Amino acid sequence: TQLLEQSPQFLSIQEGENLTVYCNSSSVFSSLQWYRQEPGEGPVLLVTVVTGGEVKKLKRLTFQFGDARKDSSLHITAAQPGDTGLYLCAGKTSYDKVIFGPGTSLSVIP
Amino acid sequence: ETGVTQSPTHLIKTRGQQVTLRCSSQSGHNTVSWYQQALGQGPQFIFQYYREEENGRGNFPPRFSGLQFPNYSSELNVNALELDDSALYLCASSTATGSSYNSPLHFGNGTRLTVT
Repeated sequence: TQLLEQSPQFLSIQEGENLTVYCNSSSVFSSLQWYRQEPGEGPVLLVTVVTGGEVKKLKRLTFQFGDARKDSSLHITAAQPGDTGLYLCAGKTSYDKVIFGPGTSLSVIP
Repeated sequence: ETGVTQSPTHLIKTRGQQVTLRCSSQSGHNTVSWYQQALGQGPQFIFQYYREEENGRGNFPPRFSGLQFPNYSSELNVNALELDDSALYLCASSTATGSSYNSPLHFGNGTRLTVT
């Protein structure tokens, strides 16, 4: 069974601080995706990483896929209150299904 | 382009009853996946439908079943409801292609089911 773990589970920081959240698995995934979910809404895709060692930047967000394609990280620079939400990593399995980690709940305090 | 819509948005049922949740896919999408999300947790994969057939299932009992229609809309049916079935049920549509590894999931806003 392919499982994804995320850390930390909860994160509360002040506006302007930097943070990193992690997504780890003992399994290899063909791709990893990061989603953000706000209360009362479904998850929204932020990025997909496919190649081991790949780094993608989306404004203040930097995503990295591990060389072995088993782990990923999301770094946010100068966090803003609008970054508040549940950050989910998701892996596409060998059977082309997408499974999710438990999420990191981020709260950015003004 | 119409996004993924789910109905109803909220539902309250009694233990032992049956429920049907509905999902309309985003235009042009041929695959529908259903997820169960408990409060404060990540979505758990229930099953996926492609061309009206189930083509993948998570660790859920047979009382969770589904349908996909020719217009790619979908239903999730849950029989003999239990208290632990209380959760947000999310539907996501996507496009299955030969190189589908980067096909993102487009989610609806879910149906909040409460079983009492």
